[in-house]
Amino acid sequence: GQQLNQSPQSMFIQEGEDVSMNCTSSSIFNTWLWYKQDPGEGPVLLIALYKAGELTSNGRLTAQFGITRKDSFLNISASIPSDVGIYFCAGLYSHAGKSTFGDGTTLTVKP
Amino acid sequence: SAVISQKPSRDICQRGTSLTIQCQVDSQVTMMFWYRQQPGQSLTLIATANQGSEATYESGFVIDKFPISRPNLTFSTLTVSNMSPEDSSIYLCSVEGVRRNEQFFGPGTRLTVL
Repeated sequence: GQQLNQSPQSMFIQEGEDVSMNCTSSSIFNTWLWYKQDPGEGPVLLIALYKAGELTSNGRLTAQFGITRKDSFLNISASIPSDVGIYFCAGLYSHAGKSTFGDGTTLTVKP
Repeated sequence: SAVISQKPSRDICQRGTSLTIQCQVDSQVTMMFWYRQQPGQSLTLIATANQGSEATYESGFVIDKFPISRPNLTFSTLTVSNMSPEDSSIYLCSVEGVRRNEQFFGPGTRLTVL
């Protein structure tokens, strides 16, 4: 089946720093989704991308749909302590529910 | 986005017993899904809950172990049957949003099997 490589696996940064994480695949997708999961909670949808090359922002978060349709990145600017959590990417080719999820990036922000 | 609630939020169960997890959505949705998230792992789709018909299971998951009901467009249940410690996971209900391919998750049910 399809697999996503999400990197880095974990990040330890200082408050105020910018963060970048990405997902790559050997298969193409027509939708990329980025989620954040806090401990004890379900994943929360941050950004959805639908077109190759699309660049979308949500506050301090910016995500891009790679031009080859095989990759996506998520940037967080000026990180704050509440950014702590696990970030998942998900690639989708057909319809909702058939997403392939990355293994997650665990973000730790030091005050 | 739809508001999704799950019951119970967590449970500790004995080996060999069964647990039924409920998922309630505040609006009618066409697509509902059940996922499993094993400790420290990513999300794995168990099945698509179909309203009025049998659920569609992914490879590695079977109806006898994970029976699913979907009596209407706002509610579904997942039963974890004959549990073993390997079933200890977070079980998540998910629905498709209004926008194409958007997907939202409930808060999850944290299951520990002793």
